[in-house]
Amino acid sequence: LAKTTQPISMDSYEGQEVNITCSHNNIATNDYITWYQQFPSQGPRFIIQGYKTKVTNEVASLFIPADRKSSTLSLPRVSLSDTAVYYCLVGDDSGNTPLVFGKGTRLSVIA
Amino acid sequence: DVKVTQSSRYLVKRTGEKVFLECVQDMDHENMFWYRQDPGLGLRLIYFSYDVKMKEKGDIPEGYSVSREKKERFSLILESASTNQTSMYLCASSLTRGRVGNEQYFGPGTRLTVT
Repeated sequence: LAKTTQPISMDSYEGQEVNITCSHNNIATNDYITWYQQFPSQGPRFIIQGYKTKVTNEVASLFIPADRKSSTLSLPRVSLSDTAVYYCLVGDDSGNTPLVFGKGTRLSVIA
Repeated sequence: DVKVTQSSRYLVKRTGEKVFLECVQDMDHENMFWYRQDPGLGLRLIYFSYDVKMKEKGDIPEGYSVSREKKERFSLILESASTNQTSMYLCASSLTRGRVGNEQYFGPGTRLTVT
C-alpha cells in the first residue's frame, strides 16, 4: 500500500485559500487519490477523488502533478465551518485492498 | 442519501463484558468496515467485509470479532472488553469493489467507554 504523509496541522484565516499537500512517493499505477473531511464528533465524509492533473467540484480542487508522487487539496476561501481534519488516502481501483486512513491534517480556521 | 446508522452514540461497559456494536446501511452496499479512532492515531481499520458471511482482518483485529449475516448489517463484537478498547468506533460502507466503491460512507460513531 502506498504510504501517505501530510502535515499534522495547519492554521488559516477566514477567506483565504488553503492548500494541503500530501506526499505518496510509492503510489502505484492503479492507485487513485482520495480526500476525506472529518468534523468533530462525526464520521469522515468524501470530498474529492482524482487520478491525475486537476479535479474540481463544488467543495474543493485536487491538483496532481505528472509524477503523481504528491497531491494538493485546495479549499477556496475557507470559513470557520471548514475547521476539520482532512485525510489523504491512496488506493487502487480494484477495491481489493481497503483505503488506509492516516492521522490526517487538522485545519483550524481563525476569524 | 446513503444512511449508515450505528446502534448507540455512547456506551459504557465494564471490563470483561461482551459488547456488541451494530451497524446498518440502507443502500445495498457490498462493503462494510469497522474502524476505531483514537486521539493522535487517526482511524485504524479493525475488520472489513466484502460480502455476506465474509470477513477480512484489518490492521488491528486483536480482541475483536465481526459478524455479517445480512448484507445490510455488520456487527463488531468485543468478546471480553478491556479498558484499552475505550475508543470511538466508526462503521462505514461502500458500494462495490471498484473505484466508485472506494467512496466510503460513515456512520456517526459510537463512543465506547470500558471501566
